[in-house]
Order: sequence, then C-alpha cells, then structure tokens
Amino acid sequence: QQQVKQSPQSLIVQKGGIPIINCAYENTAFDYFPWYQQFPGKGPALLIAIRPDVSEKKEGRFTISFNKSAKQFSLHIMDSQPGDSATYFCAAILNNDMRFGAGTRLTVKP
Amino acid sequence: DVKVTQSSRYLVKRTGEKVFLECVQDMDHENMFWYRQDPGLGLRLIYFSYDVKMKEKGDIPEGYSVSREKKERFSLILESASTNQTSMYLCASRPWDSRDQPQHFGDGTRLSIL
Repeated sequence: QQQVKQSPQSLIVQKGGIPIINCAYENTAFDYFPWYQQFPGKGPALLIAIRPDVSEKKEGRFTISFNKSAKQFSLHIMDSQPGDSATYFCAAILNNDMRFGAGTRLTVKP
Repeated sequence: DVKVTQSSRYLVKRTGEKVFLECVQDMDHENMFWYRQDPGLGLRLIYFSYDVKMKEKGDIPEGYSVSREKKERFSLILESASTNQTSMYLCASRPWDSRDQPQHFGDGTRLSIL
C-alpha cells in the first residue's frame, strides 16, 4: 500500500517560475519529512526536511509547507533555474520506517 | 561528509546467475538499507540491517538476501537472477541515533538481467 502519495508525476516550468510538488501521508505517527533531489546517474541527496510541529521551513530557494491536520506537505522552489531540473522525492519517516513518494520529474526551461 | 559507495555503477547478468551487489559506508553508521528504484514506483525497501549480522525484511524481500559481516559493508544477493529484477538498486545508511538525520544514499547500481 502506498503510504505517501506524491503529485504531480512530472512538471515543466519556465525559468524563474515556482514549481510546487505535493505529498500526502496516511500514518499520523510519522515524525520527520525529508525531501530528496536526484539527478540522472546519481543517488537521491537530502534537500530539506521538516518536523510536524513546524508549519514552514525555508532553506535558500527551497521551502517546505506542512499542514498537519490535512496530513499534507509540499515543496516550493523559488526562482527556479534550469539546474534545478531533477527528480524530487518526498518521504515520511518513523524510526527506521521510511516511506517514499513515487517522485516528480521537474524540468525548468531556460 | 557521509560517503556511501556502491561497487558497481552498471552490471549486466544472465537469468539464473547469483548476483552480488556491494555497499560500503565510511561514517560508522549502524543502519544500512537496500532499495530498488523503478519508474513510477519510487523507492521500495528490500532489506535493512541495524547491526552486524542483523537483518530485517523490507517490503519486497522475495528473491533477495543480504549479508552484513562488517559494520561498514552491506551486501545484497540475488540468489537466482530473473528479468523482473532488472532495476536501479540503491544502498543507504543512517546512524542509530538519527532523529533528525534521514538516510544517505549511494549513487546506485543499474542492474540488467538478460
């Protein structure tokens, strides 16, 4: 069963746009929510992460918004650049149980 | 900086062969993981290990086994490779006391079974 649902599957934006990727989870016991960025030929790399007691976290151009009551969280990329083109995965963690979304392939056009 | 190294970037094997995928981490992490990554399915956990000689099944362990004889090394074994095991395999590690530390991944092994 898919415990973390991610959308959209793919996303194309123009340079400078603000792509938004959404995730929804089922298990309210999850207590840590990271986002990973993966470039072709590379493993996923941690981008940013949030705890459920925080509604928003910003690191550089990347922002996570978290809605605990709706069991949803999203990634926003400000002023997107062609170098941000990659696949993005959300995840939800409880101890060693880490559940991933299916991934979003982002393309930022110049 | 955590380094997780997978021994092969690409492997091509034949149906029925026994296949070994090796992973080494250099940060003395207790926990190590093997995932497979398929388009549209994300990452699915095959096995994980929380200590030397300890292992736990993940979501899709069938057709796989693992070995952890040393803390830094975690091996994935395909006992008799089949074409449906063609995939990208990712190894990851994480410290025991890891409340605010997600997993660190290697760059993956793309395995093709002919």
